[in-house]
Amino acid sequence: GENVEQHPSTLSVQEGDSAVIKCTYSDSASNYFPWYKQELGKRPQLIIDIRSNVGEKKDQRIAVTLNKTAKHFSLHITETQPEDSAVYFCAAKGENTGFQKLVFGTGTRLLVSP
Amino acid sequence: DSGVTQTPKHLITATGQRVTLRCSPRSGDLSVYWYQQSLDQGLQFLIHYYNGEERAKGNILERFSAQQFPDLHSELNLSSLELGDSALYFCASSVGLAGATDTQYFGPGTRLTVL
Repeated sequence: GENVEQHPSTLSVQEGDSAVIKCTYSDSASNYFPWYKQELGKRPQLIIDIRSNVGEKKDQRIAVTLNKTAKHFSLHITETQPEDSAVYFCAAKGENTGFQKLVFGTGTRLLVSP
Repeated sequence: DSGVTQTPKHLITATGQRVTLRCSPRSGDLSVYWYQQSLDQGLQFLIHYYNGEERAKGNILERFSAQQFPDLHSELNLSSLELGDSALYFCASSVGLAGATDTQYFGPGTRLTVL
């Protein structure tokens, strides 16, 4: 089945710096890749997603890139702010899961210091 | 607010007991997914229901079961509880068209503590 690996597990940056989180997936038929942000004790919230027919998507300070050939996708956060501190999860969904479920990465704890 | 509701917010019980967690999906969503998140862990997929039918199973223990009712709300039943079952349980919902890249929206979760 699908396997999603996420790196790094923790990431510390200074306010204003950029942060990059990378994920790789195993199922070449995967076609949907969302990113969720989870603050402590709260629910995961969708922050951006990308479908396999595009290579990049931006939403203000957040961007996601997808390389289907290499089977990896990345989250880029620019001009980080302390409120960006949270755990970020990538996920993938595709044919080998019958498109029925998301397979999540193990999460990246982002700490933005003022 | 995602539009997905879960009750109760917190649940404290003893080992060996049985509990029921409830989830109401967003209006119009036909799919409900259940996830377990242990302390400082990732999201483990448990089970998916679409319009009342089970569609996919993940790492769900035999002591756990779920169902989706005609009004589309779902319940997750956990029995013979063990200390290791203590976790946050999330449900998520989506429009649920098979094969579609539809977005999952998460509820606020139920925090289960087994003593």
